[in-house]
Amino acid sequence: DGGITQSPKYLFRKEGQNVTLSCEQNLNHDAMYWYRQDPGQGLRLIYYSQIVNDFQKGDIAEGYSVSREKKESFPLTVTSAQKNPTAFYLCASSMGGEKLFFGSGTQLSVL
Amino acid sequence: GENVEQHPSTLSVQEGDSAVIKCTYSDSASNYFPWYKQELGKGPQLIIDIRSNVGEKKDQRIAVTLNKTAKHFSLHITETQPEDSAVYFCAASWDSSYKLIFGSGTRLLVRP
Repeated sequence: DGGITQSPKYLFRKEGQNVTLSCEQNLNHDAMYWYRQDPGQGLRLIYYSQIVNDFQKGDIAEGYSVSREKKESFPLTVTSAQKNPTAFYLCASSMGGEKLFFGSGTQLSVL
Repeated sequence: GENVEQHPSTLSVQEGDSAVIKCTYSDSASNYFPWYKQELGKGPQLIIDIRSNVGEKKDQRIAVTLNKTAKHFSLHITETQPEDSAVYFCAASWDSSYKLIFGSGTRLLVRP
């Protein structure tokens, strides 16, 4: 079955620690995205990638980093510079910039 | 930059009634308007979308209308069912931008 897989479902971060969220898709989509969702709020764009080996900052990129070495994969690292990392993180993919297909999310919490 | 406002934040309707959610966008260059449904603990799922060259689009019990002059668009759900209960998000973007801007969401509760 084609789809987009995020792992882990739950993740805990200690102070000063970097953590990496995984996102894999087998939909053959060119574009991939990372969004952050806080309780009762909409989705805010962290980073997006239109093609392999290229990515652009979204509206809230500070404290995050990404890589796009393979078409299928777009991992997100939450660095220690992100002072308020607790949120629900959503990965998505698309052909072109429309009809985004989302994964089931990773809930990141701070210990 | 683009800003999308969504109302109401919560909506409770009786099963079988209609539900309407409204969004307003700020950038007149926006020309793509999708709606997503998010169930608890899951990622959002695209339910319907519309482009600015179309005023209305319908898919079974769901319809979206667009008023470009007023820069607002609405989601209409008819004959609501308990399984329609979820959070609904509107969004807006423009050609080739890859930057979809989301509204703050509407929590819809359909009472049996």
